[in-house]
Amino acid sequence: SYVLTQPTSVSVAPGQTARISCGGNNIGSKSVHWYQQKPGQAPVLVVYDDTDRPSGIPERFSGSNSGNTATLTISRVEVGDEADYYCQVWNSGSDHVVFGGGTKVSVL
Amino acid sequence: QVQLVQSGAEVKKPGSSVKVSCRASGVTFRNYVINWVRQAPGQGLEWMGGIIPIFGTANYAERFQGTVTITTDESTSTAYMELSNLKSEDTAVYYCAHYHPTYHWFDPWGQGTLVTVSS
Repeated sequence: SYVLTQPTSVSVAPGQTARISCGGNNIGSKSVHWYQQKPGQAPVLVVYDDTDRPSGIPERFSGSNSGNTATLTISRVEVGDEADYYCQVWNSGSDHVVFGGGTKVSVL
Repeated sequence: QVQLVQSGAEVKKPGSSVKVSCRASGVTFRNYVINWVRQAPGQGLEWMGGIIPIFGTANYAERFQGTVTITTDESTSTAYMELSNLKSEDTAVYYCAHYHPTYHWFDPWGQGTLVTVSS
């Protein structure tokens, strides 16, 4: 089965840039989606198809995907960005969905 | 505005079953793909499976084959997830979410339903 690997945690100071990686075998050939989940809330889609943002998501959130790593970048980090972030792909071979283990972003 | 509203929290005994509902509003339900994702306490997101109402056939993650049944009722625009033979490890928040069938992302999500399995 396809596996997505994320760092457990990332710490960043307000105003700086946070980068969250999502590793997978040849993940660059897949479309990667990212979700933000704040405590006690349902996940929210923040980036889809590697680089696109749903309406209402700030431009500070961006994504990239190449080779074996996809990355979610949060620029000019704010305290309100503290949350867990999950990457997700669809494995066409099995027609199954796969989530990464999640990354906790802490704003120092 | 599209909205997914789930049923309330449940407390179940080990070995029993639970059925969680997810009512959709603001959409043409028969073409609206609903998937289920669960999250155990302090853990990550785990995909369980999904269904396309117009076809009525469900696709399940391997670990849930035989224990999860996902169905829909077009008359009430409601999707259901039934989990049988409950164990304490099934204690989790269960989310329904709209699944884009072409691009494979989830948006929006229901508010979540906490299922507690305890003797």
